[in-house]
Amino acid sequence: AQSVTQLGSHVSVSEGALVLLRCNYSSSVPPYLFWYVQYPNQGLQLLLKYTTGATLVKGINGFEAEFKKSETSFHLTKPSAHMSDAAEYFCAVSVPNQLIWGAGTKLIIKP
Amino acid sequence: DAGVIQSPRHEVTEMGQEVTLRCKPISGHDYLFWYRQTMMRGLELLIYFNNNVPIDDSGMPEDRFSAKMPNASFSTLKIQPSEPRDSAVYFCASSLGYDNPYEQYFGPGTRLTVT
Repeated sequence: AQSVTQLGSHVSVSEGALVLLRCNYSSSVPPYLFWYVQYPNQGLQLLLKYTTGATLVKGINGFEAEFKKSETSFHLTKPSAHMSDAAEYFCAVSVPNQLIWGAGTKLIIKP
Repeated sequence: DAGVIQSPRHEVTEMGQEVTLRCKPISGHDYLFWYRQTMMRGLELLIYFNNNVPIDDSGMPEDRFSAKMPNASFSTLKIQPSEPRDSAVYFCASSLGYDNPYEQYFGPGTRLTVT
């Protein structure tokens, strides 16, 4: 069965530092992969997605993720964290007609 | 486009009462999903519909929960009777079926508190 593992329920970085949020998945077929962001008291919104083609995917707000099939990973990065990036981030993998979700990682930005 | 619309945004009710949550998906989307989010259990898929037909309700926790989609523009999630452990944020999401079936658009959620 497909599953998604997000390493670290909380990640803390300093403003201006590199952001790295980890996501590994298990899937028997090449999946579609997603990162969603949830700001406090809001719904989830799509940050970026990988379907086919280029394995480095750019999203909104300066985030990007790289699909590495050999490592079954889809880690999310941003070169320089901003206070406004503080939120919870969810990785998801496609299965027929729906998404399997990771547990989420709360990103904390230290001033 | 107005996005996915949910109502009410907040609901406070007493144990034993019936609660009805409402959702209007994005026009043209033919998949609709109901999720529950809690600190303890994270984001859980409760049920999803395709073309108004329930496809998978294995996530519905108990018979106290029911969901309907009478037409393409409206869905309800009902809890009867409600219990304190049902307190959570309930999200509705919709997606296109044939073109981009996995990109889900979420509503703002309904925060339910059962006392």
